[in-house]
Amino acid sequence: GAGVSQTPSNKVTEKGKYVELRCDPISGHTALYWYRQSLGQGPEFLIYFQGTGAADDSGLPNDRFFAVRPEGSVSTLKIQRTERGDSAVYLCASSLTGDNTDTQYFGPGTRLTVL
Amino acid sequence: QKEVEQDPGPLSVPEGAIVSLNCTYSNSAFQYFMWYRQYSRKGPELLMYTYSSGNKEDGRFTAQVDKSSKYISLFIRDSQPSDSATYLCAVVYGNNRLAFGKGNQVVVIP
Repeated sequence: GAGVSQTPSNKVTEKGKYVELRCDPISGHTALYWYRQSLGQGPEFLIYFQGTGAADDSGLPNDRFFAVRPEGSVSTLKIQRTERGDSAVYLCASSLTGDNTDTQYFGPGTRLTVL
Repeated sequence: QKEVEQDPGPLSVPEGAIVSLNCTYSNSAFQYFMWYRQYSRKGPELLMYTYSSGNKEDGRFTAQVDKSSKYISLFIRDSQPSDSATYLCAVVYGNNRLAFGKGNQVVVIP
């Protein structure tokens, strides 16, 4: 079956621009997560959705970052007024129920470069 | 203090050798421990999952958790070139959030 997909695979933008990154989770998975992975680092948690609602957004670095999941499936991560420090790979993951014992399945990521 | 620490140094081993990786974690309340494998330009994939302490074995892979020292380990026996990847330890905390170590890049030389 299809895994988690993310589009675009690469995004190059200029400082100050707005970007949207899309995540298609595994069908039927109620939990969806966004992580950010900088070069040479492990992924860092950004936000967790259970259904349509953000159950935990404590990892979002500042108010330039926002994410939505309006119908409980596809999610979009939105970054306003991008900065060079936002350059990273943005990873999306989904799990069946969101329980601590659930496996999180990761997508291939979107590589964001801010010039 | 970060939830989990992993010395990010690269590791090169000859084919057939044993690979040994380890991490430490900060909170004795953590119960769920994972090892993820990440190939270049790919997302992480779950390799091993351990609840509480003890050993878990899956083929050539063994994961160990020592809660007394807050230490988690991964061993790869009879390493193969296809095992060349970055290995990330992780703990589950809060609302099923994963906290990852920095990862170890492993290269298995044929």
